[in-house]
Amino acid sequence: SHVLTQSPSVSVAPGQTARIPCGEDNIGRKSVHWYQQKPGQAPVLVVYDDADRPSGIPERFSGSNSGNTATLTISTVEAGDEADYYCQVWDTIGHHPVFGGGTKLTVL
Amino acid sequence: EVQLVQSGAEVKKPGESLTISCKASGYSFTNYWIGWVRQMPGKGLEWMGIIYPGDSETRYSPSFQGQVTISVDKSTNTAHLHWSSLKASDTATYYCARRRVPADQLDCWGQGTLVTVSS
Repeated sequence: SHVLTQSPSVSVAPGQTARIPCGEDNIGRKSVHWYQQKPGQAPVLVVYDDADRPSGIPERFSGSNSGNTATLTISTVEAGDEADYYCQVWDTIGHHPVFGGGTKLTVL
Repeated sequence: EVQLVQSGAEVKKPGESLTISCKASGYSFTNYWIGWVRQMPGKGLEWMGIIYPGDSETRYSPSFQGQVTISVDKSTNTAHLHWSSLKASDTATYYCARRRVPADQLDCWGQGTLVTVSS
């Protein structure tokens, strides 16, 4: 079964770049998706299939995936990016999504 | 526009039954899996189960098997999540979400239904 490891928190100053990692053995072989969840709101898909963006998601959001780590990168961070971010893969044997524990992004 | 609209917040007592709903619009309901995700207060996302409306094939997380029932009503494009006997530990926000293939992302989410179980 999958265990996706995320750091509990990441802090970054406005205008800087935030990098949020998601770790698992050989995660580079899987498709990784990322969700943003602001307080009191539903999750929103911000990156899918490692590096693609749904329509309406700013280019500041990008993803990469190689080896044992997938990374969500948010460039030129804004106060409005403060949220919890979750990575997700699909368990093809159990036929279900697997979520990381989430990373809280704080904009200083 | 693809939308999933969930039913409103509920306050229930332990032992009561409950069904919450997720109404889909803007796409062909029977062609996409819909999953349910629990989020307990201050915690992360937990997958509960998933259903394919086309044939009602359903798969449950082992943690929720036997605790809830997932179903669909194709006539109203609605998915349902049912408890026959609620516990205080069921207090959480529940989200429905649509699965896209082949990458298996959850590309559209309902707004969430807060369920509070308290005596």
